[in-house]
Amino acid sequence: GEEVAQTPKHLVRGEGQKAKLYCAPIKGHSYVFWYQQVLKNEFKFLISFQNENVFDETGMPKERFSAKCLPNSPCSLEIQATKLEDSAVYFCASSQSPGGNQPQHFGDGTRLSIL
Amino acid sequence: SQKIEQNSEALNIQEGKTATLTCNYTNYSPAYLQWYRQDPGRGPVFLLLIRENEKEKRKERLKVTFDTTLKQSLFHITASQPADSATYLCALDGGSSGSARQLTFGSGTQLTVLP
Repeated sequence: GEEVAQTPKHLVRGEGQKAKLYCAPIKGHSYVFWYQQVLKNEFKFLISFQNENVFDETGMPKERFSAKCLPNSPCSLEIQATKLEDSAVYFCASSQSPGGNQPQHFGDGTRLSIL
Repeated sequence: SQKIEQNSEALNIQEGKTATLTCNYTNYSPAYLQWYRQDPGRGPVFLLLIRENEKEKRKERLKVTFDTTLKQSLFHITASQPADSATYLCALDGGSSGSARQLTFGSGTQLTVLP
């Protein structure tokens, strides 16, 4: 499609439950990025993919967080055993390049609330 | 340590005036710097990008400057309108001295244009 589509818009989970977020990138974009936005506008890079391969996972918490981009499926970000501190808006973006020479196109985010 | 700072969290200006937002960075040597607009409840939307060897870039009422000596970018909106009210984010890549594999975002400046 022409827009990055993120689902669901809002996800509520009890502490300790699993949360799974989905992202359909723009068709033709090879790179997918996940960001976490906590407290106003502080964006934290989590992970990026080049097609179905992990490209950069330097921001990904070692435990509990995992992500996949499989052919012909939306990309996903999964959080196991959620904690209160995981409450944030999670944004997905796609681009034709990983660096700064191309814009990133963002979805409208999934707001994750951990109760 | 690496840091990206955007001027005061909030900026209020009168309609018709020029808004000037700053983005300062330390311990980066970006090859590219980008500016995004984010409205409440939405993902960031790309506005402009500028290369390290470009001093200035314009698009309609928007102008971006990039001074790699001062390690600063200025973002100007001329003839501002209430519809320009939003949060503006700068983002830069790691360039030659760091990872060109991801963008790092500043914390944003919330601009309000008063009618």
